Amino acid sequence: QKEVEQNSGPLSVPEGAIASLNCTYSDRGSQSFFWYRQYSGKSPELIMSIYSNGDKEDGRFTAQLNKASQYVSLLIRDSQPSDSATYLCAVNTPGGYNKLIFGAGTRLAVHP
Amino acid sequence: ETGVTQTPRHLVMGMTNKKSLKCEQHLGHNAMYWYKQSAKKPLELMFVYSLEERVENNSVPSRFSPECPNSSHLFLHLHTLQPEDSALYLCASSQVGKDRGGSNTIYFGEGSWLTVV
Repeated sequence: QKEVEQNSGPLSVPEGAIASLNCTYSDRGSQSFFWYRQYSGKSPELIMSIYSNGDKEDGRFTAQLNKASQYVSLLIRDSQPSDSATYLCAVNTPGGYNKLIFGAGTRLAVHP
Repeated sequence: ETGVTQTPRHLVMGMTNKKSLKCEQHLGHNAMYWYKQSAKKPLELMFVYSLEERVENNSVPSRFSPECPNSSHLFLHLHTLQPEDSALYLCASSQVGKDRGGSNTIYFGEGSWLTVV
């Protein structure tokens, strides 16, 4: 079983719509959860981090965490073509060293 | 200037060559990482240096050799690589607590694109 699972996509949404990206993880002891955005040919950049159950909002982005169900999601409101990228879910494993386990990423395409 | 810088950005090397990737972080962090990103695969953690202790992924072949002379600099020495080692190699850094735990954010460099011919 993969430790962090994401739908590879592509997820295609029209400009202005809400994009919903989902991620599930296998280790119940995981405490920290991150969403990174990666444009083609570039390195990952952090969008959101979330540590507690519930929602966390930052501008057009909302991260949602449900530890009981072991899933974390990212909502992008008012999607723009510039949001087109691969979104990586990452989970911090227990045991230290900030060892992040990444999902394979979901490719998002926002079309005008 | 970005917080984590990597050189070279692009490298083409033959299977018999020896080369090194360099990384420098300007964020005052105490942990540095090497990740490998191959096409259509998840980011794979190769090595961690945290609080002067090296932690490695046992699946990393010995043809990859890390070196961390201090908390700001990290190298990945490459020798006798194979074509399947062609990938994007990402350096990252973060701050960890003295108990080696922590949930602090990891920041990536721009990456070094490696092609083995």
